[in-house]
Amino acid sequence: DAGVTQSPTHLIKTRGQQVTLRCSPKSGHDTVSWYQQALGQGPQFIFQYYEEEERQRGNFPDRFSGHQFPNYSSELNVNALLLGDSALYLCASSLWATNEKLFFGSGTQLSVL
Amino acid sequence: TQLLEQSPQFLSIQEGENLTVYCNSSSVFSSLQWYRQEPGEGPVLLVTVVTGGEVKKLKRLTFQFGDARKDSSLHITAAQPGDTGLYLCAGGGGAGSYQLTFGKGTKLSVIP
Repeated sequence: DAGVTQSPTHLIKTRGQQVTLRCSPKSGHDTVSWYQQALGQGPQFIFQYYEEEERQRGNFPDRFSGHQFPNYSSELNVNALLLGDSALYLCASSLWATNEKLFFGSGTQLSVL
Repeated sequence: TQLLEQSPQFLSIQEGENLTVYCNSSSVFSSLQWYRQEPGEGPVLLVTVVTGGEVKKLKRLTFQFGDARKDSSLHITAAQPGDTGLYLCAGGGGAGSYQLTFGKGTKLSVIP
């Protein structure tokens, strides 16, 4: 049973560029959440998707957007990258009915130069 | 804004010692979770506590949720090198809120 998979594992971009990160949820899960974890910090909630809609959003600018596909996989897009966007981006999947039990992927380490 | 403060930030102990890490907030949480995260990996859920005063045990780990549901502690007995990692607490937002609020974590090193 595959867990949460994220791609790519590492990514290097320059300021102003755009990036797309991908996530496949754990088998049987229908909800995907994205978190940003800066160095030395705990994860911060970006947004959550269920039934292909954004259900809740944290305190992140509109440069951060997402999508969920009919097969429950998800993408996180970040436009106009800033140096401060450098972080580990974590995808977590869950069942909508038991929303708080999250299973995390290993993350995508994004470096913005 | 709900905030969770964890202490200590760093902890280095010898194998076999006991330790306690703390998670405190001025806000009430509907539930509180503890995760362990190893370098290059995502957090892994250890336990969820939902009732004020609740105590849960997971082998050598004991988790407690404060009576007022504002704080929690994690106690490890006879620590082993395999316990090394970043321990994160996360609070649930309650009805209508599906986001978790994480603390900054306690980085534990257990020296053989």
